[in-house]
Amino acid sequence: EVQLVESGGGLVQPGGSLRLSCAASGFPFSSYEMTWVRQAPGKGLEWVSYSNSNGYTVHYADSVKGRFTISRDNARNSLYLQMNSLRVEDTAIYYCVRDRSSYFDYWGQGTLVTVSS
Amino acid sequence: DIQMTQSPSTLSASVGDRVTITCRASQSISTWLAWYQQKPGKAPKFLIYKASSLESGVPSRFSGSGSGTEFTLTISSLQPDDFATYYCQQYSSLWTFGQGTKVEIK
Repeated sequence: EVQLVESGGGLVQPGGSLRLSCAASGFPFSSYEMTWVRQAPGKGLEWVSYSNSNGYTVHYADSVKGRFTISRDNARNSLYLQMNSLRVEDTAIYYCVRDRSSYFDYWGQGTLVTVSS
Repeated sequence: DIQMTQSPSTLSASVGDRVTITCRASQSISTWLAWYQQKPGKAPKFLIYKASSLESGVPSRFSGSGSGTEFTLTISSLQPDDFATYYCQQYSSLWTFGQGTKVEIK
């Protein structure tokens, strides 16, 4: 069974940093592209960042470019999102998502990031 | 950037109704379109890819159609479990979601 379990969310002040982790199991993690998607409270879905299977090709939404960094450790079956210079508008549930041929077939339950003073 | 626009934003329907949600792209995306269902407090669930291909395990009352810039998601006979918010997503150029369509009980 495919499982994606996010961790690392919490309350942080504007300008602060946070590192999200996603532990993957139930599938050959190193063979799959992975993505982070977020959802602000009461709002829709927003794609945040993408990593190809070896981590050498990454993409970011304009809203987070230069502040967020996606990475992965295939030996640990883990995906990460380093978030720096956090803003109030980054407040959201962050989902770790498996990418199958560019659409998103398995989603974690999400981790809540709250940016507030 | 490709923008995705769904209509309506909210849809009121009864069990057994045929329901159609429309998704329009700001430029042609061929059939690079997916649909997701999300219930309150839950992660989205993947339903359809390549505009009309049903994911394994998804009930056959769900169907998708369209190409280019206009797409539809149809539920042939609405069931109690189908009351949720539905999102379209393009994956022709990076990824963009529509704003969502909430299907509520009439």
